[in-house]
Amino acid sequence: ELKVEQNPLFLSMQEGKNYTIYCNYSTTSDRLYWYRQDPGKSLESLFVLLSNGAVKQEGRLMASLDTKARLSTLHITAAVHDLSATYFCAVGKTGNTPLVFGKGTRLSVIA
Amino acid sequence: DTEVTQTPKHLVMGMTNKKSLKCEQHMGHRAMYWYKQKAKKPPELMFVYSYEKLSINESVPSRFSPECPNSSLLNLHLHALQPEDSALYLCASSQDPSGGDTQYFGPGTRLTVL
Repeated sequence: ELKVEQNPLFLSMQEGKNYTIYCNYSTTSDRLYWYRQDPGKSLESLFVLLSNGAVKQEGRLMASLDTKARLSTLHITAAVHDLSATYFCAVGKTGNTPLVFGKGTRLSVIA
Repeated sequence: DTEVTQTPKHLVMGMTNKKSLKCEQHMGHRAMYWYKQKAKKPPELMFVYSYEKLSINESVPSRFSPECPNSSLLNLHLHALQPEDSALYLCASSQDPSGGDTQYFGPGTRLTVL
């Protein structure tokens, strides 16, 4: 059974600081996703990582994937208040299997 | 057009009511999903439709009944719900029914069962 663990579950960080969110998963997978969710809103796709060593960047967010370690990271650079949201990683495999979501990391960026 | 639409945005219903949630996408995606999300929790998969056929039912109670009339539409029929069914119901779609493809989520329907 595929299990996905995110940490930390809660993160309060100051504006301008850097931090990393971690996503570990228990079995081999060929796709990893990062989603953002604002309170009361739907999920917005941020990144899709498909291969070992994949790195993608969008603004102050950078995601990477290490399939050997079964680990993905979401790095936040010079945080700003607008990044406050809940971030979910989700792991999938080719084949008729559903995505498995982590519990989410609730990020709060404070001045 | 990378949009998944859902109606209604909000729904309040009694335990004896029958209502339906609707979801629509025009991206030509062949897989559509229903998720349930409780506050401060990740989405929980309920159903998956692949090429308009139900392919996954995650042991959802029969008071939830999905329907896929065509490749662009997905309904969720609700009957005799319980207060604990109150949640955000999210629809999603993806290009690849074999799974693992990016899922695009709709804005959700916030359901309250009284």
